[in-house]
Amino acid sequence: DAGVIQSPRHEVTEMGQEVTLRCKPISGHNSLFWYRQTMMRGLELLIYFNNNVPIDDSGMPEDRFSAKMPNASFSTLKIQPSEPRDSAVYFCASSSLAGGSYEQYFGPGTRLTVT
Amino acid sequence: QQPVQSPQAVILREGEDAVINCSSSKALYSVHWYRQKHGEAPVFLMILLKGGEQKGHDKISASFNEKKQQSSLYLTASQLSYSGTYFCGTEDSGTYKYIFGTGTRLKVLA
Repeated sequence: DAGVIQSPRHEVTEMGQEVTLRCKPISGHNSLFWYRQTMMRGLELLIYFNNNVPIDDSGMPEDRFSAKMPNASFSTLKIQPSEPRDSAVYFCASSSLAGGSYEQYFGPGTRLTVT
Repeated sequence: QQPVQSPQAVILREGEDAVINCSSSKALYSVHWYRQKHGEAPVFLMILLKGGEQKGHDKISASFNEKKQQSSLYLTASQLSYSGTYFCGTEDSGTYKYIFGTGTRLKVLA
C-alpha cells in the first residue's frame, strides 16, 4: 500500500487566499484525522471522521477552517481566508479500529506558509 | 488538557537507557506512543489499553498505569536511530477524545 497520501507537500500563499489541502487515506481504513503541528502548540487534532462522518471537530480553530470527506478515499481541509498564523505543517492520518483503539498512520504532511 | 511529558529533552550516549513519562489529568482508555524524526511524520510505536499492561517492541517497551493516569516509555541500549521527538497520544475513557502530549526530544550521540 502507498500509505496516506497528502497534497500538496508545500504551499505558499498570501494572506486572504483560499487554501485547500488534500488527503487520501490508506485503503480500508475507516477513520481519518487532520492535525496541525507548530513549534508553539505542538501536535493538535483538528477534526476526525469515522466512516466519512465528522465525529469531533472541536479542535477546528475558527469558522475559516472547514473539512469534508465526500467518500472513503478522499478528504479535504480548507482554510478561507488564510492568515499568517495558519502557517504550520498539516498532517492527515488514517486508521482502522484495532484492538479497541486506533493505530494511526500519518501522511508526509503539507507545509503551509501564509505570507 | 494536553498530557504532560517529562523530561522535555534528553541527551544520551549510544547504549544508555532512557525513560519518558506521560501524565494525564483525565482517566484514560488508551495510550499510544509515536516517534517523529525531524522533518518527517510521526510513526506509530505501540498502543497500551487500560488494564496496566506492558508492551515491548525490540528494545523499546512501555507501561500504562491506569490508576495514576500515567504511561512510561522505556528505551534500553539506545541506538542512534532512536533520536527524534517522542509523543504520547491519550484517549479519554469518557469521551474517547484523542490528544497528543507535549513531546520529548531525545538525541542519541555516538
